[in-house]
Amino acid sequence: EPEVTQTPSHQVTQMGQEVILRCVPISNHLYFYWYRQILGQKVEFLVSFYNNEISEKSEIFDDQFSVERPDGSNFTLKIRSTKLEDSAMYFCASSEFSNQPQHFGDGTRLSIL
Amino acid sequence: DQQVKQNSPSLSVQEGRISILNCDYTNSMFDYFLWYKKYPAEGPTFLISISSIKDKNEDGRFTVFLNKSAKHLSLHIVPSQPGDSAVYFCAAARTGSARQLTFGSGTQLTVLP
Repeated sequence: EPEVTQTPSHQVTQMGQEVILRCVPISNHLYFYWYRQILGQKVEFLVSFYNNEISEKSEIFDDQFSVERPDGSNFTLKIRSTKLEDSAMYFCASSEFSNQPQHFGDGTRLSIL
Repeated sequence: DQQVKQNSPSLSVQEGRISILNCDYTNSMFDYFLWYKKYPAEGPTFLISISSIKDKNEDGRFTVFLNKSAKHLSLHIVPSQPGDSAVYFCAAARTGSARQLTFGSGTQLTVLP
């Protein structure tokens, strides 16, 4: 069964450094998403992406965050200057259409030191 | 953000019996609801969904019930199996260009052999 894949599984970064989290969505899916889950808290929506542009973004997704689909298969989340509070599990998801279920990857655990 | 609430952090059920997981929501704009299952170190796995035009959807051992007037949904698993032991999240979305999911805090289901 096709699946969403995320790399790396664990990323450790110094505060203030840039980090790029990578995702390969399911190949025929058109909608892409990033969510995060801070330890002990709910899964929170960050951003949705369709037709090479952001569809929706949450208040969390400020100017430090950006997303890109650089080559037609990868979908990346960049955090420009990481803060301690960015430490979380980041999940990528994709769906074939907007009214279809979203399928999640296994996440990248981001640890900011 | 308490728009989607799962008031039971944990539930234990004997193998072969019914598991009932509950979820309440407050935002009347939500019109699409999903249940996800999550094992440790994995991403959420889609189980079943329901749109607001229905009050029941069934898929094998899993049935979701939606009570719009009470803003309540439930997931029934019957019969429960030890492999069903996981954290179950309900999520809700509203019609839009891309459906950002709002998650509950999850219920840890333990199915005892």
